[in-house]
Amino acid sequence: EAGVAQSPRYKIIEKRQSVAFWCNPISGHATLYWYQQILGQGPKLLIQFQNNGVVDDSQLPKDRFSAERLKGVDSTLKIQPAKLEDSAVYLCASSTWTGAGSDTQYFGPGTRLTVL
Amino acid sequence: DQQVKQNSPSLSVQEGRISILNCDYTNSMFDYFLWYKKYPAEGPTFLISISSIKDKNEDGRFTVFLNKSAKHLSLHIVPSQPGDSAVYFCAAGTGTASKLTFGTGTRLQVTL
Repeated sequence: EAGVAQSPRYKIIEKRQSVAFWCNPISGHATLYWYQQILGQGPKLLIQFQNNGVVDDSQLPKDRFSAERLKGVDSTLKIQPAKLEDSAVYLCASSTWTGAGSDTQYFGPGTRLTVL
Repeated sequence: DQQVKQNSPSLSVQEGRISILNCDYTNSMFDYFLWYKKYPAEGPTFLISISSIKDKNEDGRFTVFLNKSAKHLSLHIVPSQPGDSAVYFCAAGTGTASKLTFGTGTRLQVTL
C-alpha cells in the first residue's frame, strides 16, 4: 500500500513570495491533515479535512495560509505572502477517521520550507 | 499552554538495555495516546497506541503504559537496538475530534 505522498520535498523562497505544497493521501482515507513542525517542536495541526469539508482550521493563519481538498482526495496548502517565521516542515497526514472513535494518522515525508 | 509535555529532550541508552521515554499531559479529555518515531528527513511513523480504558499495550519490543490518575504515559523499548535511534513524539487525542496534540519529542540515542 502506497503511503502519503508530498511534494516538493524542499523549497527555498524569499519573504513575501508565495508557495504551494501538494499532498496525496493513502487511498481510501477520508480524513487529511496539514501540520506545521517548527524546529525543536512537535507537529502543530493547521487544518483537518474530512472528505472535502473542513473539520478544524482554528490554528490556520487565514490571512496568509489557505488550503483546499478538491474532490476529497489530493490537497494543496498555500502560503501567500510568506514570512520568515513560516520556515518549518509542513507535514501531511491521512487517516480513516470518519467522525468518531480513536484515530491513527499516517504521515508523509514532509516539505521543508526555508524563507529567507 | 502545552497540553502534552515531554520533559526530556534527549536520552542515551546502551544497546540491549531498556529505554524509557516519558510523557505528561494536562487535558483530562484526552482518551487515546500514540507514540510516533521520526528519523531525519522523514515524516513521523506510527509506533504504538493506547486507549484510556487500558493501562498497558504491548507490541513486540514496545510497551506503552498509561497512568490516568497521574496523567502520565511512558514508552518502554526492550531491548534497545541501534536502529531505534530517532526522535520519539508522544501524541494525544479525543475520540470525538481526531485532532492530535503532540509533545516536543525526545531524541533517543542507542549506543553500541
